[in-house]
Amino acid sequence: KAGVTQTPRYLIKTRGQQVTLSCSPISGHRSVSWYQQTPGQGLQFLFEYFSETQRNKGNFPGRFSGRQFSNSRSEMNVSTLELGDSALYLCASSPWTSGGATDEQYFGPGTRLTVT
Amino acid sequence: AQSVTQLGSHVSVSEGALVLLRCNYSSSVPPYLFWYVQYPNQGLQLLLKYTSAATLVKGINGFEAEFKKSETSFHLTKPSAHMSDAAEYFCAVSTNAGKSTFGDGTTLTVKP
Repeated sequence: KAGVTQTPRYLIKTRGQQVTLSCSPISGHRSVSWYQQTPGQGLQFLFEYFSETQRNKGNFPGRFSGRQFSNSRSEMNVSTLELGDSALYLCASSPWTSGGATDEQYFGPGTRLTVT
Repeated sequence: AQSVTQLGSHVSVSEGALVLLRCNYSSSVPPYLFWYVQYPNQGLQLLLKYTSAATLVKGINGFEAEFKKSETSFHLTKPSAHMSDAAEYFCAVSTNAGKSTFGDGTTLTVKP
């Protein structure tokens, strides 16, 4: 099976702009999670979608939003970009085989966002 | 709420030496614990997971971890380090589907 894919891999945006990142999960995986990784804050959970519904949400401002489509592909959007949004954004999918919490996550390579 | 603490942000070992990466967790419910590895410019890859079936868990690439409830620990070990083990390692705890809380990571350096 193909792994988790994320597009684009690299992105440079200007403060105040908005950005949309895309994630295609492993075929058959219905859960998609998003994480922000920065040197200062480490890996922080953004949100998780399952069957097009947001089930869990982290402590990020409303500028961060996401959605999931019927084919399980997911997008996240960041509006009014700030310099502090520069990070590696990781998407992960899970198989949902045993109720969820025990399922490991399969990560994509990430999208490196730089805000100038 | 659950949390994970990884002791030591940097660990350096010689090739062939024992690798020990420490992880302590805090959880109000029985936790599910994971170790992931991240190589430069890549996403995270699962090494192993604990889901209460057995306290000693074997993973890929010769790594294993032991769940010790009395010590709230889930340390990662490998008997003999290889140069290819140099990477960043993350311990994670999950109590909700699709949401994991990660430690700050430990960078492992392997000296020839």
